[in-house]
This record gives sequence, C-alpha cells and structure tokens, in this order.
Amino acid sequence: QKEVEQDPGPLSVPEGAIVSLNCTYSNSAFQYFMWYRQYSRKGPELLMYTYSSGNKEDGRFTAQVDKSSKYISLFIRDSQPSDSATYLCAMSLFSGSARQLTFGSGTQLTVLP
Amino acid sequence: DSGVTQTPKHLITATGQRVTLRCSPRSGDLSVYWYQQSLDQGLQFLIHYYNGEERAKGNILERFSAQQFPDLHSELNLSSLELGDSALYFCASSRRQGGQETQYFGPGTRLLVL
Repeated sequence: QKEVEQDPGPLSVPEGAIVSLNCTYSNSAFQYFMWYRQYSRKGPELLMYTYSSGNKEDGRFTAQVDKSSKYISLFIRDSQPSDSATYLCAMSLFSGSARQLTFGSGTQLTVLP
Repeated sequence: DSGVTQTPKHLITATGQRVTLRCSPRSGDLSVYWYQQSLDQGLQFLIHYYNGEERAKGNILERFSAQQFPDLHSELNLSSLELGDSALYFCASSRRQGGQETQYFGPGTRLLVL
C-alpha cells in the first residue's frame, strides 16, 4: 500500500462546477500538507500549504485537512478551463531541515468550456 | 516562473551512457531536492542537499549520484543508463521562512534513454 493514495481520475467537469480532489494517507507522522498544480510538460506549482486540521481558503481554492481520518481535500469553486491540469497532493514529515515530499499519483482535471 | 532553472530541457541518450543534469536554485535558497517523475511511479523523491551537504536520500539508485557546489547549484549524475530511467527529473529549491518551508520546482529535464 502506498503512503499516499489519490483518486486517479481523470476528472472532467463543465466550466463553473465545483471540483473536489481527495487524498488519503497512512502515515500519521505527516504534518505538512500541500496541493500542487502541474500543467502539461511543466514543473509542479504550489497552490496551497497547510499544517493543521481544518479549512484554508485562498480565492477559489479551499484546502481541507482531517488528520483524524488521514484525509485531505482540495475544492475548486467556479472552475475555469485554465484550471485544467494535474493536481498532486503532497505531504511531508518534520525532520530538521529535510522536508522531502511524498506525492500522490495525481488527478488529471479537465474543465470544459 | 519559479526562479529555479534546470538544464538541459531535453536529453536523448543510449543505454549504458552517463548524463549530468544541472539545477540552479532560487537566489538565497540553500536546499535543493531532486525528484523523478515517471508514468508508473509518479513523482518520487531522490535526494536532498542543504548548503552543500547531503541531508536525505529517498528512492535513489546506486547508479545515480548528486552533489551541491559552493555556489549552491546542484548536479544529478545518472550512469549506466537503462530504458527504465527515462523520466522527467525535477529539482526544487526551498528556504525556511516564518516556520514554513516551501519547495519551488524547476521546469524539469526530460530524459529519454533509447
């Protein structure tokens, strides 16, 4: 079993829809949770960063963390065609200066105009 | 643009060969991380350097090695290449600010081993 499991998708939604992307994890030592967006043939770009349970909002994006259930989500409101990309959840441990990330496999999202 | 640069963008080589991938971190970032992204394995952590010193190793093969130089740029050396080494190789740099450390990824090097 992988440490981080992510809904594989692909996911296709109409413009304006609310998108929900999810990951579960098995290692309770993970303390930092991130969502990255990766456009085709580009490097991952950080969208959201959180380290506590609860919700964190940034514009149309909301990151939700439930440490008791080992479950994180990213919600995208009023989705746009420009949101079409692969979304990767990532997690890390606290280990001094070493913060290597463990990634989910990614969910490919297409927002149709 | 993340501020992290990687060269070359593309690399085509043959099995058994050796290649070197280069990464320049964002100005002021002391940490460099290397990741491999393949279709079947996803994005996997390889190795982390901090201010010239190796700090952590992940799923890095013995045929692979890396170093970080005094000017903080880093190189990933891949030797005795196999077909299965074909992948995207990313580096990311980071610094700690206000208790938070964020990794910024470069555009990647696409390696094709024939």
